[in-house]
Amino acid sequence: GAGVSQSPSNKVTEKGKDVELRCDPISGHTALYWYRQSLGQGLEFLIYFQGNSAPDKSGLPSDRFSAERTGGSVSTLTIQRTQQEDSAVYLCASSFDRSTNEKLFFGSGTQLSVL
Amino acid sequence: GESVGLHLPTLSVQEGDNSIINCAYSNSASDYFIWYKQESGKGPQFIIDIRSNMDKRQGQRVTVLLNKTVKHLSLQIAATQPGDSAVYFCAENWANAGNMLTFGGGTRLMVKP
Repeated sequence: GAGVSQSPSNKVTEKGKDVELRCDPISGHTALYWYRQSLGQGLEFLIYFQGNSAPDKSGLPSDRFSAERTGGSVSTLTIQRTQQEDSAVYLCASSFDRSTNEKLFFGSGTQLSVL
Repeated sequence: GESVGLHLPTLSVQEGDNSIINCAYSNSASDYFIWYKQESGKGPQFIIDIRSNMDKRQGQRVTVLLNKTVKHLSLQIAATQPGDSAVYFCAENWANAGNMLTFGGGTRLMVKP
């Protein structure tokens, strides 16, 4: 696609339920990132993938959070047993190459609301 | 400007005036800097970048200034328009971090007609 695509755009769930958020990066981009943005806050790094290398999970806030990237393209961020503090906008970004200074292209995000 | 919890620093300017948004970065080893614009309900959008071997770079209506001595970055917007109203983030990167951008807290720009 022309840009980074995320789905769903909005997700409302009940506390304790699991959710899956999807990201389609720009075709040809080898690096993919997940960020979280709480209301009125900056961007909090969660995880990134580069090609077939092991992902950098250093930003994941707890073991309830996980992500995978299949075939080096689409990525899914999974949050298990959601809590109210997980409510935020989850942003996905991709770039052509992680090894150099490259600007990230962001999707529009998934607004997650945990009731 | 850096975020202070839920209350983003806000800059209010009159339409047609110039805007200056400031950012203090943390790592003296940072060698690449980006400004992003985020409109309500959208993801951040790239505006302009600058490498540490430069102290100024100009784009269309925007200029980024880098002062490595005091670790300060600024974004200047000429002839500010209502469409410039958004939250602006600076981000820094350093070579040993690969392409791991670290974002500042953001500044909200409000343009008064």
